[in-house]
Amino acid sequence: DGGITQSPKYLFRKEGQNVTLSCEQNLNHDAMYWYRQDPGQGLRLIYYSQIVNDFQKGDIAEGYSVSREKKESFPLTVTSAQKNPTAFYLCASSTPKGQGARYNSPLHFGNGTRLTVT
Amino acid sequence: AQSVTQLDSHVSVSEGTPVLLRCNYSSSYSPSLFWYVQHPNKGLQLLLKYTSAATLVKGINGFEAEFKKSETSFHLTKPSAHMSDAAEYFCVVKLENTGNQFYFGTGTSLTVIP
Repeated sequence: DGGITQSPKYLFRKEGQNVTLSCEQNLNHDAMYWYRQDPGQGLRLIYYSQIVNDFQKGDIAEGYSVSREKKESFPLTVTSAQKNPTAFYLCASSTPKGQGARYNSPLHFGNGTRLTVT
Repeated sequence: AQSVTQLDSHVSVSEGTPVLLRCNYSSSYSPSLFWYVQHPNKGLQLLLKYTSAATLVKGINGFEAEFKKSETSFHLTKPSAHMSDAAEYFCVVKLENTGNQFYFGTGTSLTVIP
């Protein structure tokens, strides 16, 4: 079955260490996204990528970095510069092509990685 | 400008009674609209999506939503709540003219009382 795989499910790190969260999809989607979710809050966009070797900052990109070397993979690195990294991180993908509401390709989500930094 | 407003942060219903989760959007362009459900420590699952073919959209698990352009609303309903419906629900807008970005509401937590 096609889908999005995020690993690991739980991740623990010491403050000051960089950590990379994995996201792989086999849906043949062009666009991939990283979101952060904090308790009781909605999703905030960190980075997104429309095609391979290209990505754009979202609303809260500071302290994060990404790469998109392959269509299937969009890893997120949480750097030591991120002041409050403990959160639930969600990766998603979509097909960006199409115009108008008739071609409203939805987001497909992975099951998330819960990162705890102490 | 564009935004999504979920009017209730928490909704509580008794099992077997109707569910109404409200969502309003603001957009100058024709939007794509979605409802997602999230169970604890899980990703978001698509419940339904709006296409221009029909204003009343049927989704999974008995949910449906009605697109009302005049009211800029896309409320989610279900005739009879089940215990398994207890979860967080997100209304999402996608605008094709903004690089295919998705805009999320802040979520509505649904509690189902036995």
